[in-house]
Amino acid sequence: DIQLTQSPSFLSASVGDRVTITCRASQGISSYLAWYQQKPGIAPKLLIYAASTLQSGVPSSFSGSGSGTEFTLTISSLQPEDFATYYCQQLNSYPFTFGPGTKVDIK
Amino acid sequence: EVQLVESGGGLVQPGGSLRLSCEASGFTFSSYYMGWVRQAPGKGLEWVANINQGGSEENYVDSVKGRFTISRVNAKNSLYLQMNSLRAEDTAVYYCARAGANWGSRWYYDLWGRGTLVTVSS
Repeated sequence: DIQLTQSPSFLSASVGDRVTITCRASQGISSYLAWYQQKPGIAPKLLIYAASTLQSGVPSSFSGSGSGTEFTLTISSLQPEDFATYYCQQLNSYPFTFGPGTKVDIK
Repeated sequence: EVQLVESGGGLVQPGGSLRLSCEASGFTFSSYYMGWVRQAPGKGLEWVANINQGGSEENYVDSVKGRFTISRVNAKNSLYLQMNSLRAEDTAVYYCARAGANWGSRWYYDLWGRGTLVTVSS
């Protein structure tokens, strides 16, 4: 199975900050990677798919990049509604594993 | 309204069975891969299973193979997860998800239900 690691696991930031989260895969996954945002008690929300394609309706402050084994999710200017946990998921091969998550908290 | 609504969760004893349902509305259900993702209390997301549009292809995470079965009835716009031989570690919120965002040969989960809680305990 493909393992995903995320760094950092926890991030404290302020409104307006630029935030970058990294996801690394244990083997190459081409660009078959998604990023999700999840708030407590609510289902995950798709932000980015195919590593860099912004899902419809998602603010352009979110962007994704990378291919192969290293990927990044960037929030260009953190807004109050962006405080949440972020997960990456690989869809290169079954099982479609998720990363452990990165919690973004208010500084 | 485009939505997925899960049902069927509850408290079950170890070794017991439960069948989850997911009813889709507002889109052409038969056109999409569908999947189940779970989240144990206070933990991260775990992909459980998915099924293709016609129901002929199923895939599972190793920890549920032989115990869980995913199925669908397109005429009823419904997805199911039959869970047998349940264990304490199966305790989680189970989400139904539609694989609707496409790039290349992969479909990403773009629509999620609110989830249904399964608790396995004596």
